[in-house]
Amino acid sequence: LAKTTQPISMDSYEGQEVNITCSHNNIATNDYITWYQQFPSQGPRFIIQGYKTKVTNEVASLFIPADRKSSTLSLPRVSLSDTAVYYCLVGFNVGYSTLTFGKGTMLLVSP
Amino acid sequence: DAGVIQSPRHEVTEMGQEVTLRCKPISGHDYLFWYRQTMMRGLELLIYFNNNVPIDDSGMPEDRFSAKMPNASFSTLKIQPSEPRDSAVYFCASRMAVHYNEQFFGPGTRLTVL
Repeated sequence: LAKTTQPISMDSYEGQEVNITCSHNNIATNDYITWYQQFPSQGPRFIIQGYKTKVTNEVASLFIPADRKSSTLSLPRVSLSDTAVYYCLVGFNVGYSTLTFGKGTMLLVSP
Repeated sequence: DAGVIQSPRHEVTEMGQEVTLRCKPISGHDYLFWYRQTMMRGLELLIYFNNNVPIDDSGMPEDRFSAKMPNASFSTLKIQPSEPRDSAVYFCASRMAVHYNEQFFGPGTRLTVL
């Protein structure tokens, strides 16, 4: 499994755009990049997944450069409710795929 | 759909007692996962099932832990005997076969072993 490295914590203010970058230098050709969000006292929640270039949904955008050795989760105009831990995961997109969670990035949004 | 359902939400027990955690996955999901989360070790995969069959239990810490999935709508994780170091939040998650990395997690069971 490709190892991922992301900042332990980040601080932001309401209304700002937040970009969380994850490094995965040994990503394999078949690996996908997946991000999860975990609020306090809740289970993780799938946010977004991508393979290359850019993916956007109603929650976030995921930017993946051509070499795929890193990825950036972009949260537009964060609010207090976006305070959570964000996990970057890399792995196969196959039937027996499992998730390996690292420490994640603790995002704290202040008023 | 109600999502993944876990019970109980909180469990406090004494060392040596048997603990049974329960999970109802989302209907139609083929895979079921059990995780444990602690501050020290983070979120760890304990075991997962595909179509009710255990596929990989290499994450189960020791023989005191066992998991079953008697049918597609129910799974249990049992700890016997429980120890204080088993205190953690236990999550159950499920997913469809074709949504490889999109798991749906339950609210978790917070277990405290005194």
